[in-house]
Amino acid sequence: SAVISQKPSRDICQRGTSLTIQCQVDSQVTMMFWYRQQPGQSLTLIATANQGSEATYESGFVIDKFPISRPNLTFSTLTVSNMSPEDSSIYLCSVVVGQGDFFGQGTRLTVV
Amino acid sequence: QQQVKQSPQSLIVQKGGISIINCAYENTAFDYFPWYQQFPGKGPALLIAIRPDVSEKKEGRFTISFNKSAKQFSLHIMDSQPGDSATYFCAASMRFTGKLIFGQGTTLQVKP
Repeated sequence: SAVISQKPSRDICQRGTSLTIQCQVDSQVTMMFWYRQQPGQSLTLIATANQGSEATYESGFVIDKFPISRPNLTFSTLTVSNMSPEDSSIYLCSVVVGQGDFFGQGTRLTVV
Repeated sequence: QQQVKQSPQSLIVQKGGISIINCAYENTAFDYFPWYQQFPGKGPALLIAIRPDVSEKKEGRFTISFNKSAKQFSLHIMDSQPGDSATYFCAASMRFTGKLIFGQGTTLQVKP
């Protein structure tokens, strides 16, 4: 398995501002992903964070709204830009280690 | 074709009973099928996973049954306990991509 630390664990932000979420893993991993879980809903993949290159975004998600950095094999950031109340969700990073996919505790974002 | 359909949406089981959650998929390229358990305020925790070359996998009280021809898989929780009360998600992926497609989730309540 892997120990995944996300910061912050929660935040309340004003609309129009941006928040950067950090994800730190205790070992080097090739595959790192960012997911969104809207209130009471399932998880949806936002993007794959690629080390040394631009992230790969899923349909419905764009780089301008969700810029991602992956400077090394243990760390990634997701920024939620120009936030609106519709961005209120839990944002989770995930890594593939061995035979499993493991998730951080998530960042609970509320936009007011 | 990328969807994973999960049922039921909610489930109430008496302590000691068997909880059964079902999932169905369309994409025959999926080759990895994990189940996650999520408690409120926490990230999803990997419970058990199966590959399509086996029909059943058991870990403790948790069993996955897999029917490749029907493109269905299910989670059985034997001797359900109140501590099992949580939301359960099935998922599927093509392992080389690492991207998980999640079902809609099942909220399980185990009554004492």
